[in-house]
Amino acid sequence: GAVVSQHPSRVICKSGTSVKIECRSLDFQATTMFWYRQFPKQSLMLMATSNEGSKATYEQGVEKDKFLINHASLTLSTLTVTSAHPEDSSFYICSARVLAADYNEQFFGPGTRLTVL
Amino acid sequence: DQQVKQNSPSLSVQEGRISILNCDYTNSMFDYFLWYKKYPAEGPTFLISISSIKDKNEDGRFTVFLNKSAKHLSLHIVPSQPGDSAVYFCAATSALYGGATNKLIFGTGTLLAVQP
Repeated sequence: GAVVSQHPSRVICKSGTSVKIECRSLDFQATTMFWYRQFPKQSLMLMATSNEGSKATYEQGVEKDKFLINHASLTLSTLTVTSAHPEDSSFYICSARVLAADYNEQFFGPGTRLTVL
Repeated sequence: DQQVKQNSPSLSVQEGRISILNCDYTNSMFDYFLWYKKYPAEGPTFLISISSIKDKNEDGRFTVFLNKSAKHLSLHIVPSQPGDSAVYFCAATSALYGGATNKLIFGTGTLLAVQP
């Protein structure tokens, strides 16, 4: 299957700082990328859908000004957690899919563990 | 509101026996269901899927059953192998979720441990 990478895999930051997480599709072009968040023992919750060259679509309850998403190219989407607070500590996973592919053509990255002190 | 539920947080099975993982959903608009497998520190990987027009889909050792009237699906792994030990997520989606974007709604996962 296609490979999706995330960087960094783990980040620890102080409260009030901003953290950028990168999601790259390594061997295919992804017109759509998704950002998920997973709290311990909970399901992956979709935060936003990112389409190349346009604004991201955020799920209800997700603050767009706090979680900035940029999908500037067909292989890269970034999630910036602005003014991070301890409650933002979570596991963030991106996925990427190819336009017009089947439902199962959504490839996930390995995730980024964010810890805000 | 948890639309996709996996009520068993963990399951332990002997190698060679059958593993049955269950998933329930509440939204009758879901028309496609998927199972993902996840190892620690890795992203989920697709395992098998089923459309709502079917009640069974089989791929090697993995079979997914769908009972639409009960809003229930299950994943059967037989025979189970130690390498199958992982967290298994079921997910659901609907053609109503924006067409090509295919938003996935995930369950909470079941940790499967296959004992040698």
